[in-house]
Amino acid sequence: DAKTTQPNSMESNEEEPVHLPCNHSTISGTDYIHWYRQLPSQGPEYVIHGLTSNVNNRMASLAIAEDRKSSTLILHRATLRDAAVYYCILRDVAFGNEKLTFGTGTRLTIIP
Amino acid sequence: NAGVMQNPRHLVRRRGQEARLRCSPVKGHSHVYWYRQLPEEGLKFMVYLQKENIIDESGMPKERFSAEFPKEGPSILRIQQVVRGDSAAYFCASSPQQGTSYGYTFGSGTRLTVV
Repeated sequence: DAKTTQPNSMESNEEEPVHLPCNHSTISGTDYIHWYRQLPSQGPEYVIHGLTSNVNNRMASLAIAEDRKSSTLILHRATLRDAAVYYCILRDVAFGNEKLTFGTGTRLTIIP
Repeated sequence: NAGVMQNPRHLVRRRGQEARLRCSPVKGHSHVYWYRQLPEEGLKFMVYLQKENIIDESGMPKERFSAEFPKEGPSILRIQQVVRGDSAAYFCASSPQQGTSYGYTFGSGTRLTVV
C-alpha cells in the first residue's frame, strides 16, 4: 500500500470545524482513500472513504485534491467525543489485497 | 447491537500459558481480519480469514500464533506459550465481501496482559 503522511497532533476548539490533512503523493489510480478514527480504549471506527470526488456522510466530509496527492477530512462542528486518533489509509481493492496499513495517525484534541 | 463482538475484553495470562481470543463478526459477514496493537504503537495486520480458509497470514508470527474461522462459530486467535511481548490489544474486523471499497467494522478488542 502507498504511504500517507499526517501531522502527529492537532488541536481544535469545541463546536468549530476541523480540517485534518493527509498527503499521499505516491497514490495509484486504483487506491481508495479511507479514514478511520480510534477513540481511547476502542477499536478503529470507519469514518469515510473516497476515490476522486468529494464525499459527505453523517460523520464528516472528505475533500480530495484534483491530482489526488492529498486529501482533507473535515469535521464540520467538533465535539468532545471527536477526540481520537485519525488515520488516513490508502486501500487498493485489487483482488486479494485486503490489508489496511495503519500509520501513526493524527491525535486530535478538542478544547472545551 | 449487530457489531463485531470480541471476548474476553480483558485477558490475563501467565508466561507459558495459552491465550484464546474470540471474534464473532457482524451477522452476514464472512470475512474476518485480526490486527494487533502494541502499547503506544499503530495497528498491524495479522491475518485475513474467510469461512474455513486462511487467505492471508503474512502478518502472523511464524511460531505460537494460529487463527481459524470455522464453518460454525466465532473466529479464534490462539497464542500458545505466551510471552510478555505478546501483551497487546488484539482487534478483529469483519466485512461482507472481498474486494469491496467499503469500510471494515472493528470490534472493541481484547487486551491481553502477560504476567
